Amino acid sequence: LAKITQPISMDSYEGQEVNITCSHNNIATNDYITWYQQFPSQGPRFIIQGYKTKVTNEVASLFIPADRKSSTLSLPRVSLSDTAVYYCTGGGATNKLIFGTGTLLAVQP
Amino acid sequence: GAVVSQHPSRVICKSGTSVKIECRSLDFQATTMFWYRQFPKQSLMLMATSNEGSKATYEQGVEKDKFLINHASLTLSTLTVTSAHPEDSSFYICSASPTSGGAQYQETQYFGPGTRLLVL
Repeated sequence: LAKITQPISMDSYEGQEVNITCSHNNIATNDYITWYQQFPSQGPRFIIQGYKTKVTNEVASLFIPADRKSSTLSLPRVSLSDTAVYYCTGGGATNKLIFGTGTLLAVQP
Repeated sequence: GAVVSQHPSRVICKSGTSVKIECRSLDFQATTMFWYRQFPKQSLMLMATSNEGSKATYEQGVEKDKFLINHASLTLSTLTVTSAHPEDSSFYICSASPTSGGAQYQETQYFGPGTRLLVL
């Protein structure tokens, strides 16, 4: 099984762009990379998903290089409400999701 | 779209009793649902994979006779914690994967809001 690692914590200020990088050296060929946001005592909330290259939606961008050994979640212009734990995962709809350790993002005013 | 609900949101029970947690996909059908447990300041740990109409697949170290899973329909899976003990106190979260319903991302899991279990 792939091991997924990410920084334990990151600090940022309101209005800044935040990039969180995740390492997944042994991700399976058919696994997607999905990022989730979790607030205390809530279930993870889907942010973005990709397989290769770049994906962008209304809240984030996801960059995945050709070797798929890492990925970077980019949050443009963060606000205080973006303070949460962000999880990088590998897997799919019917595959086991392998969770990263989670990154606690603290956004300060 | 792709909303998953859980009931109850929190439950307190006495040691030795059984507790049932429901997981429902509200706007899509899900052949596969997953059950996770999360301890404070830790990542989610997969407990079992629930497949509609068949037996659940449990992860290593998870007692199938203690954590009973039933997936009787394409929108409902239940987790029953039998003879609960204080060490079972945790945050239980389910997820479901759309097999139909038009969710934008078909290869992903959508999570419920979680159930906080406290066993006294």
